[in-house]
Amino acid sequence: KAGVTQTPRYLIKTRGQQVTLSCSPISGHRSVSWYQQTPGQGLQFLFEYFSETQRNKGNFPGRFSGRQFSNSRSEMNVSTLELGDSALYLCASSFLGTANTGELFFGEGSRLTVL
Amino acid sequence: KNEVEQSPQNLTAQEGEFITINCSYSVGISALHWLQQHPGGGIVSLFMLSSGKKKHGRLIATINIQEKHSSLHITASHPRDSAVYICAVKDTDKLIFGTGTRLQVFP
Repeated sequence: KAGVTQTPRYLIKTRGQQVTLSCSPISGHRSVSWYQQTPGQGLQFLFEYFSETQRNKGNFPGRFSGRQFSNSRSEMNVSTLELGDSALYLCASSFLGTANTGELFFGEGSRLTVL
Repeated sequence: KNEVEQSPQNLTAQEGEFITINCSYSVGISALHWLQQHPGGGIVSLFMLSSGKKKHGRLIATINIQEKHSSLHITASHPRDSAVYICAVKDTDKLIFGTGTRLQVFP
């Protein structure tokens, strides 16, 4: 069974640009959640999608958005990038979703550097 | 004060030692996760607990809901156990993470 796939693994952007990250969950999983990890703030919850609907959202500005497609693949977008957006962005898939305490399966992450 | 506190922040051990990592939380939860993160970033879910105790190989996780405390134990530690261990609690609709415990096991 293939694991959670995130693309791209590494990317470099400049301030003001926008970026789109992709996450393909494990087959059959309908929940995809996104997290930001920085040295200063640690891991923080961004949002969760379940069956194409955003179910929960963390405390991040509107520049951070996401969506989920009918095949459960999810994308997150960050617009007007700031230096502080440099981070490892992780996604996790789950059969039940975090609201129902399903076990989480994480991808390897997308490491974003903003110059 | 963070809603999820882990101790210790850093831990060094000799191969074979028994390891305990603690997690205390201040919010009501429905589940607690123990995660392992190796250098490079990938995270593996070790346990998901809502009560009692779970065991997987050399790893044991316990949770005391009344005391709002969980522990992760590693028996007969090995250098390949070197990683960051992260506790995360499910608060209503989102996960709240601890800051992690960095474990180094030397041969």
